Amino acid sequence: DAGITQSPRHKVTETGTPVTLRCHQTENHRYMYWYRQDPGHGLRLIHYSYGVKDTDKGEVSDGYSVSRSKTEDFLLTLESATSSQTSVYFCAIRTSGKAYEQYFGPGTRLTVT
Amino acid sequence: DAKTTQPTSMDCAEGRAANLPCNHSTISGNEYVYWYRQIHSQGPQYIIHGLKNNETNEMASLIITEDRKSSTLILPHATLRDTAVYYCIVRAVYQGAQKLVFGQGTRLTINP
Repeated sequence: DAGITQSPRHKVTETGTPVTLRCHQTENHRYMYWYRQDPGHGLRLIHYSYGVKDTDKGEVSDGYSVSRSKTEDFLLTLESATSSQTSVYFCAIRTSGKAYEQYFGPGTRLTVT
Repeated sequence: DAKTTQPTSMDCAEGRAANLPCNHSTISGNEYVYWYRQIHSQGPQYIIHGLKNNETNEMASLIITEDRKSSTLILPHATLRDTAVYYCIVRAVYQGAQKLVFGQGTRLTINP
């Protein structure tokens, strides 16, 4: 599992509240990613990081921000949660192996009411 | 990135080999074929990758045609725990972000 944990695993929050999801890795991988998964859409990239304090947007970044102050932690923040952000969120790391494969965390199920 | 085409769903009997096809007729010379799977409610799991040679690991075998326009993932002795959605992804390998694009995949059901 490449030493990836996500917290919390489940969260219910109200519209308009801020929410922060945490991804933690133990193997010092440079690249980390946040995806969301919704029925009918598959996995979609939100943001990614290529080093401490180095981040960039994915295809569905509106309404999300990220931060990476340490190699091991990649935080995803919903500044003001909306019902459309109800989803399952997956964190991933990219290895430095030959084909740069990605390994995913267990996911966080977020419900915005 | 090359587009891939996979069947929407497949069934296989437990203990038999499961053969999952993927078409990628527009693949470029520097693009690898990756396979991931997602078991219900879990994060996607990397299975195997290949460039042009057939590959085998402890999970599966990957057979790539000589023209590289299609490939087959083989699970040699499928078990009930192999029931999952299988994604075929074609992607060039480079030093950058390596953003993966997941399509709809093939829903494989292993039947007892």
